[in-house]
Amino acid sequence: DGGITQSPKYLFRKEGQNVTLSCEQNLNHDAMYWYRQDPGQGLRLIYYSQIVNDFQKGDIAEGYSVSREKKESFPLTVTSAQKNPTAFYLCASSKRGLAGAHEDTQYFGPGTRLTVL
Amino acid sequence: ILNVEQSPQSLHVQEGDSTNFTCSFPSSNFYALHWYRWETAKSPEALFVMTLNGDEKKKGRISATLNTKEGYSYLYIKGSQPEDSATYLCASDNYGQNFVFGPGTRLSVLP
Repeated sequence: DGGITQSPKYLFRKEGQNVTLSCEQNLNHDAMYWYRQDPGQGLRLIYYSQIVNDFQKGDIAEGYSVSREKKESFPLTVTSAQKNPTAFYLCASSKRGLAGAHEDTQYFGPGTRLTVL
Repeated sequence: ILNVEQSPQSLHVQEGDSTNFTCSFPSSNFYALHWYRWETAKSPEALFVMTLNGDEKKKGRISATLNTKEGYSYLYIKGSQPEDSATYLCASDNYGQNFVFGPGTRLSVLP
């Protein structure tokens, strides 16, 4: 079954702790993305990676870190420096790499809801 | 940073009504425009990718048009059904690097 998995679905952490959200895809896609959604707002881009061992900051990267050591995996760490980490986090992937086509769309995982207590 | 807007923010329609909503995006350096449907407790699902001015795409009762010169796209739903209830997102492709999403239009179809 091809797709994108995110785990866990719900995550609770104490303030001041780092937490890592998992994102795995078996679609053989080059590009992967992390978004955050807050109530009443659209999806905001945190980080993206167009190829293994490379990633770029999105619009709201402060307080987050990522790695892309394998094509199928793009974990996101929410650090204690992130001032307001409670949110819904979505991971996506796309065929698009460095030479992508206009028609390449993004496919989304089911999301992780992070609550920091 | 691109600014993508959607209107209305939300709307309620009766089953059987037709409806439409708007996505506005910067027209300069247009690359592609994407529409997604996001149902509660599910992942956003791709509806359309639109790349050419004047594009019209259709999937069942849902269709979309694109005007890249003036920077807008319309999504139409004909004969709305309760299962069409969802948030509809549009995203402008940022020079082929990443997507910039609008805030979405939340549609509720009342039986």
